[in-house]
Amino acid sequence: EAQVTQNPRYLITVTGKKLTVTCSQNMNHEYMSWYRQDPGLGLRQIYYSMNVEVTDKGDVPEGYKVSRKEKRNFPLILESPSPNQTSLYFCASSWTGPQGGTGELFFGEGSRLTVL
Amino acid sequence: GNSVTQMEGPVTLSEEAFLTINCTYTATGYPSLFWYVQYPGEGLQLLLKATKADDKGSNKGFEATYRKETTSFHLEKGSVQVSDSAVYFCALSGTGGGNKLTFGTGTQLKVEL
Repeated sequence: EAQVTQNPRYLITVTGKKLTVTCSQNMNHEYMSWYRQDPGLGLRQIYYSMNVEVTDKGDVPEGYKVSRKEKRNFPLILESPSPNQTSLYFCASSWTGPQGGTGELFFGEGSRLTVL
Repeated sequence: GNSVTQMEGPVTLSEEAFLTINCTYTATGYPSLFWYVQYPGEGLQLLLKATKADDKGSNKGFEATYRKETTSFHLEKGSVQVSDSAVYFCALSGTGGGNKLTFGTGTQLKVEL
């Protein structure tokens, strides 16, 4: 089954304790991206990757890191989480054609993070 | 920069009622437009899309027409069901396609018997 898998789905942590949210896709997609979803703000892009070893900042990258060592994995790292990073996080992936993607992003089920 | 404005929710309808969720956008060039749906506890999934002016996207009884003159992409359904209860997001892609999507804030729809 084609899917994007995120872990953990739920996490409560404390300020400053490093954490990683993993994301894996089995569709051989070149493009992967992280979004955060907050009430009244919709989805905002944190980081994205066009392919292995190619990553770039989205609209709200502060406080986050990513890596893309393998095509299927795109972990989101919070080196020193703060309460304003409490949010619902989504990983997404898609194809990248010669003129860019089709716009059909495939989303994971989300990871709800609470930072105390 | 690009932006998407959606009508605020929540929207509460009775089953079989007509649905309209308004979406307008600001973008340079000719973006593609999308509606995504998020069911409770799930990630977003593509509902429909339109890639050029006057195109109509449709799926599962939902429709939306790309109106360049009014910069709008309103979502409609003639007869909603309880199973349509979800959050609906309007989105646009960058000019020339591409993977970067700009989302609206989402509109929650609740359909009651």
